[in-house]
Amino acid sequence: GAGVSQSPSNKVTEKGKDVELRCDPISGHTALYWYRQSLGQGLEFLIYFQGNSAPDKSGLPSDRFSAERTGGSVSTLTIQRTQQEDSAVYLCASSLTGSNEKLFFGSGTQLSVL
Amino acid sequence: TQLLEQSPQFLSIQEGENLTVYCNSSSVFSSLQWYRQEPGEGPVLLVTVVTGGEVKKLKRLTFQFGDARKDSSLHITAAQPGDTGLYLCAGAKGNSGAGSYQLTFGKGTKLSVIP
Repeated sequence: GAGVSQSPSNKVTEKGKDVELRCDPISGHTALYWYRQSLGQGLEFLIYFQGNSAPDKSGLPSDRFSAERTGGSVSTLTIQRTQQEDSAVYLCASSLTGSNEKLFFGSGTQLSVL
Repeated sequence: TQLLEQSPQFLSIQEGENLTVYCNSSSVFSSLQWYRQEPGEGPVLLVTVVTGGEVKKLKRLTFQFGDARKDSSLHITAAQPGDTGLYLCAGAKGNSGAGSYQLTFGKGTKLSVIP
């Protein structure tokens, strides 16, 4: 497809379980971002990938969160031992090169932790 | 601490009315972006402003960046139901490095335009 694709669109899980969220960026975009949007809150930066550089993980809220990007394309955000406060919409975005470039967002994954 | 304050939080108006939403901060930003987000979708970029005092127009939408690059406004003329959505502002603190890609988002203004 032409846009950023995220899966699943919805995920309901039980507290303590691990979840994996997937992002397929726009082909050719070297920069990939993960943001979290909690109810009533602004988007919160989580992690940034740019080409082959080491990712900027400074926004990850705890060590239960991790992300990887394989082959400079698809990215997976993993949340271990989920907690109720992890419930949010997780948005992935990509841009052509990064650094003030236009961001293209996916539709997000709505995560609900029961 | 919320670095970007958006107001109003909610706005419900009749079709054809004009409106302005605001994005304010005590911090200086190198650039500021406005997005619109519809339910179940990701934000879509409307405009980026980079120069203090800059005004950009996009059809019925007028965006202004404050002279000091600490605030911005979005004015919609003759609002239409299709303008309904969540309007988000986002600021970049620099032109390179983390400040350029770690955008700071406001909480948004939820606009409803009633036919």
